[in-house]
Amino acid sequence: QTVVTQEPSFSVSPGGTVTLTCGLRSGSVSTSYYPSWYQQTPGQAPRTLVYNTATRSSGVPDRFSGSILGNKAALIITGAQADDECDYYCSLYMGGGIWVFGGGTKVTVL
Amino acid sequence: EVQLVQSGAEVKKPGESLRISCKGSGYNFANYWIAWARQMPGKGLEWMGITHSSGSDLRYSPSFEGQVTISADKSISTAYLHWSSLKASDTAMYYCARRIIAVGATSGGGFDSWGQGTLVTVSS
Repeated sequence: QTVVTQEPSFSVSPGGTVTLTCGLRSGSVSTSYYPSWYQQTPGQAPRTLVYNTATRSSGVPDRFSGSILGNKAALIITGAQADDECDYYCSLYMGGGIWVFGGGTKVTVL
Repeated sequence: EVQLVQSGAEVKKPGESLRISCKGSGYNFANYWIAWARQMPGKGLEWMGITHSSGSDLRYSPSFEGQVTISADKSISTAYLHWSSLKASDTAMYYCARRIIAVGATSGGGFDSWGQGTLVTVSS
């Protein structure tokens, strides 16, 4: 069973806004889990978008933002573009020097 | 510019050993940790473990403990992932990533730079 949960898929219209979430099978995500978000296009290495909840990685446009929403971490993509269509993963720090990735969300822009 | 450059693709037989590498440049390697992640064909990322640049402090995911060995040599700014006896199920892309922590923090963080990946194929 996946400890860190993400929506398997999401669709967004061009120019629209989508909120991806990263939760725990049991419990709530807080900043103490240092949620981070990664984007991966097919055949490419992951690219870091946001780390430590809301810090955007160098060169990442401000269309991508991270936060805590309710009991989950969230990645909000505004002004969706065609090249935002790819897979998105989150990671959570579980303590004791251990991280876990979520199962990933496949975003479709149509 | 921070760069993590991984060693090239490998094709091995079951039972063989293998070590792949990840060389950091453009930053002070000694001040950072390097993690490894697996991505099996068509699947998601799996966090395997992490090493301090000194190689003296290691953590493993319970799923990978005993299956692989992570190490590092800060004198040559390189981290390693080693298998003593490969299985067909080890066939995957493997990525290294640099841990980034918040200013003033001593734990947690995420990963801000990634290697290009090393494809490992294990087949008889």
